[in-house]
Amino acid sequence: QQQVKQSPQSLIVQKGGISIINCAYENTAFDYFPWYQQFPGKGPALLIAIRPDVSEKKEGRFTISFNKSAKQFSLHIMDSQPGDSATYFCAATPSGNTPLVFGKGTRLSVIA
Amino acid sequence: EAGVAQSPRYKIIEKRQSVAFWCNPISGHATLYWYQQILGQGPKLLIQFQNNGVVDDSQLPKDRFSAERLKGVDSTLKIQPAKLEDSAVYLCASSSLPGEAFFGQGTRLTVV
Repeated sequence: QQQVKQSPQSLIVQKGGISIINCAYENTAFDYFPWYQQFPGKGPALLIAIRPDVSEKKEGRFTISFNKSAKQFSLHIMDSQPGDSATYFCAATPSGNTPLVFGKGTRLSVIA
Repeated sequence: EAGVAQSPRYKIIEKRQSVAFWCNPISGHATLYWYQQILGQGPKLLIQFQNNGVVDDSQLPKDRFSAERLKGVDSTLKIQPAKLEDSAVYLCASSSLPGEAFFGQGTRLTVV
């Protein structure tokens, strides 16, 4: 049972463009939503995270938009750069000491 | 601050053989996770430890997989006997706060 559905599976964006990756969830107990970035041969690294008390969080070129009623959240990468080429995973977890549930990932390629 | 250390980085074994992976979490992190990441998919939780106790091992194939966390610090994950479908990257993560997870680089296992 996939608890977090991520799309698209792959994405190609021109340098300087906006990359948008979407995730949807069903479990209303989820209240922490991080995004992870993974380069080949490396472990996932936390990029940015949001809790449902805010609708948007921005850190540099990375923004999370959160829609609680639709049970959806998305990652926007502004001014995408070739160095952003990686696989991105959304994740979610309820409050308390429970493990993250991951989406299947989006492979982003930023081309010059 | 040193990150999560894992070894070995790569391992190739024949099916029905046994293999062990080692993880040293970030100092002071009470929670330790083992995730399995099959190529092209997101990490899937195998087991969660809190100090040296198991919190969640519901997705661990206990007929062949075992894990322990000695003295609440280092952890080992063992597979015996290995199957072809166990080929994956095995990721260790640790945390000190609910919801967060800092990952190691992983061990890439190939079963032939």
